[in-house]
This record gives sequence, structure tokens and C-alpha cells, in this order.
Amino acid sequence: QSALTQPASVSGSPGQSITISCTGTSSDLGGYDYLSWYQQHPGKAPKLIVFEVSNRPSGISNRFSGSRSGNTASLTISGLQAEDEADYFCSSFSTSTTLVLFGGGTRVTVL
Amino acid sequence: EVQLAESGGGLVQPGRSLRLACAAAGFTFDDYAMHWVRQIPGQGLEWVSSITWNGGSVAYADSVKGRFTISRDNAKNSLYLQMNSLRVEDTALYYCGRDPGVNFYYYMDVWGRGTSVTVSS
Repeated sequence: QSALTQPASVSGSPGQSITISCTGTSSDLGGYDYLSWYQQHPGKAPKLIVFEVSNRPSGISNRFSGSRSGNTASLTISGLQAEDEADYFCSSFSTSTTLVLFGGGTRVTVL
Repeated sequence: EVQLAESGGGLVQPGRSLRLACAAAGFTFDDYAMHWVRQIPGQGLEWVSSITWNGGSVAYADSVKGRFTISRDNAKNSLYLQMNSLRVEDTALYYCGRDPGVNFYYYMDVWGRGTSVTVSS
């Protein structure tokens, strides 16, 4: 099973909003709500920022929001800040032999 | 404080074995399923294996099936990954992650800092 598809990079200026897409199939993110997003700063472990499509864990800023349309999920970061510069990975349950799929990751750069 | 701490990584020759451990603290370990995820530095994340709260159900990525074994000891608050017949392509940073359910919700709400495995002759 191929990984979920994400753009390699997205950039924006402070204060702007950016959206990262994550494309899968009906056998994974399009068919189930087990869709999550992680933020990873260099040299650090991944951190959960969105779970079950659009829910935020306690302590995660409401500037991060998740959504889905068909087989494409999106993570929107509003009011972009310097600290948001990081790699972002989507993840989903899959009915294939690969139980959990990850996207290839998107590097967010704050200009 | 909720914490996961991996250990057991190192340099190993192809074909040899290694056992990773993940020590849990700050939460009731047997209330949660657990996962192993690996990452080649500078690259993406790859799911490796998962286990339910009591070990009753386990799953493996095709790339490690038949070579790796996931297990847990709830009395010791510990998760393990026995890695046999290691290959160069198993070289990565290995993370353990907590699933928020006793069975699977298929995401990780707590991550350890990882332990590095290098397979090289």
C-alpha cells in the first residue's frame, strides 16, 4: 500500500493561513474517521495535533484545524507563526495489510 | 507526567537480532494499545507494528512481518519489539506511541523520543 500523498512543501508569511492536503483512497482516509495529523520539529518526536479528522487534543491551538472532503484531508494553519515551521504528517487507518498509513510529510516554511 | 522512553537501539550487523523496549510512566499502561513507528532521519514516518492492551491482537507492516515480534508486559509497564534477521533497510529511529484506546484508534497521542537502530556490516 502506498503512503498517503502530501505536498513536499508549503510556505506562508506570518499571519497568513496555509492548507496542507493529504490524499488517500476510500480504503483509508476517505472511508474512515481514523485520520490524524502530527507536527514534528527537527530532532523532536512527532506530536499529535488533530485526531479523528477534525478534533484537537487538549493544549493544541485552535489555529490548527482539520477537515476532509472525499478522499482528501486537509490541515489548515491560520495566523501562521514562526513556531509553526515544522514537518507535518497525515495518518490514517487502512483496510490494507498496512494497518496505519502515513503521508510522506510536508515541510512548512514561515517566510 | 505521561512519558514513554525507548531503549535498546544500537549498531548491529545484518542478519543479527535486537530487542527494543519502551518504558511507560504516568498512566495506566494496560488501558492502552501501543504502536511502534520508525523514521529514517530526514524522511517520513513508517508504521511498524501494533498491539492491543492485552496482546490479544497484533499487527505488522509487510516489511517486517515474520522477522519482528511485538509484545508487552503490563506488570512491568513495558512494550517490546524483538527484531530478528535485521536488514540494512531496517536502519531508522524507532518510536513507541500510545494509542488512546484499549484496542485501536489507529493514532498515537503520546510518543517517546525514539531509539536509533543502525544495521551495517
